[in-house]
Amino acid sequence: QKEVEQDPGPLSVPEGAIVSLNCTYSNSAFQYFMWYRQYSRKGPELLMYTYSSGNKEDGRFTAQVDKSSKYISLFIRDSQPSDSATYLCAPYSGAGSYQLTFGKGTKLSVIP
Amino acid sequence: DAEITQSPRHKITETGRQVTLACHQTWNHNNMFWYRQDLGHGLRLIHYSYGVQDTNKGEVSDGYSVSRSNTEDLPLTLESAASSQTSVYFCASSEPGPNEQFFGPGTRLTVL
Repeated sequence: QKEVEQDPGPLSVPEGAIVSLNCTYSNSAFQYFMWYRQYSRKGPELLMYTYSSGNKEDGRFTAQVDKSSKYISLFIRDSQPSDSATYLCAPYSGAGSYQLTFGKGTKLSVIP
Repeated sequence: DAEITQSPRHKITETGRQVTLACHQTWNHNNMFWYRQDLGHGLRLIHYSYGVQDTNKGEVSDGYSVSRSNTEDLPLTLESAASSQTSVYFCASSEPGPNEQFFGPGTRLTVL
């Protein structure tokens, strides 16, 4: 079993839709849960991250972590064409290790 | 403004040749990373460094080497390029801790 599983999509939604992007992971040591966004032919950029279980909101984006089920979610409200990108989850254990384990990424297209 | 740059941005080489990809960051970050990104595999860690003279192997290090002689640079060398190393390569840097990894723009390498 891979450490981080993410459905690669592609996912296509109409503008204004609520988008749900998800990952599962197997390593119980993961404490920080990052979401990166990658536009076509660009490097990934950090979108947001959470620590341990719970929710975190940043504008139209909400990150949710359920450590009991090892499930990570990113919700996008009122999706915009500018949200069209690949979204990568990247859990991270901390504890002196600074390596990220990336999911394969989900490619999202928001259609005007 | 601080930044991370990669060169060349595109490279075509032949099987068996030695290739070096450059990565330079001006944030003065201790941590630097090299990833490759392939369809169906996502971002995979090749090598990483936590400071000058420190280098470590990642998930897919075979056929690659790095050296860290100063804080700003982490060049990636393909000792004898193989067609399986055709990929997009990203360099990243970060401060220690659960901090954002800043990615370069990527180098698209084709091995014929």
